[in-house]
Amino acid sequence: DGGITQSPKYLFRKEGQNVTLSCEQNLNHDAMYWYRQDPGQGLRLIYYSQIVNDFQKGDIAEGYSVSREKKESFPLTVTSAQKNPTAFYLCASSIPTGNYNSPLHFGNGTRLTVT
Amino acid sequence: AQSVTQLDSQVPVFEEAPVELRCNYSSSVSVYLFWYVQYPNQGLQLLLKYLSGSTLVKGINGFEAEFNKSQTSFHLRKPSVHISDTAEYFCAVAPNAGNNRKLIWGLGTSLAVNP
Repeated sequence: DGGITQSPKYLFRKEGQNVTLSCEQNLNHDAMYWYRQDPGQGLRLIYYSQIVNDFQKGDIAEGYSVSREKKESFPLTVTSAQKNPTAFYLCASSIPTGNYNSPLHFGNGTRLTVT
Repeated sequence: AQSVTQLDSQVPVFEEAPVELRCNYSSSVSVYLFWYVQYPNQGLQLLLKYLSGSTLVKGINGFEAEFNKSQTSFHLRKPSVHISDTAEYFCAVAPNAGNNRKLIWGLGTSLAVNP
């Protein structure tokens, strides 16, 4: 079955370390997204990519970086510059931005805890 | 700019009772409207969407929503809920014109169905 795989499901890191969250999709979607979810704050967009080798900052990109070298993969690096990295991170994909006949497909998330 | 307000952060309800989760939006342009559901420790999945046409939209799991343009609302309803409907529900809007078609999310409503 097609879908989005995020790994690992739980991730623990020490403060000051960079960490990379994996997101892979086999839906053949062009667009991919990273969201951060905190209790009571809904979803906030970190980065998105509409096509390979191109990506744009979302609303809260500071302290994060991404790459899009392959259509199937959109890894997110949480750097030591991110002041409050502990959160639930969700990756999503869709047919290109603006085509809302196709919904966002989400992975099951990675819960990152930084101590 | 668009904004979304989910009027209730938590909705407790007994099994087999009806439920309404309220969503109001603000926008200077026409919008598309969506409801997503998130079960515990999982990603989100699309419940239903309004793009155009009939203002009453039916979705998965027996949910429906009605688009009311004059009241700028898109409330989600189910006539009889099950324990398995316990989840977080998110309303989202996106402009259907212009260059910036980013999804704007509400903060979510936690539905707790009790036996």
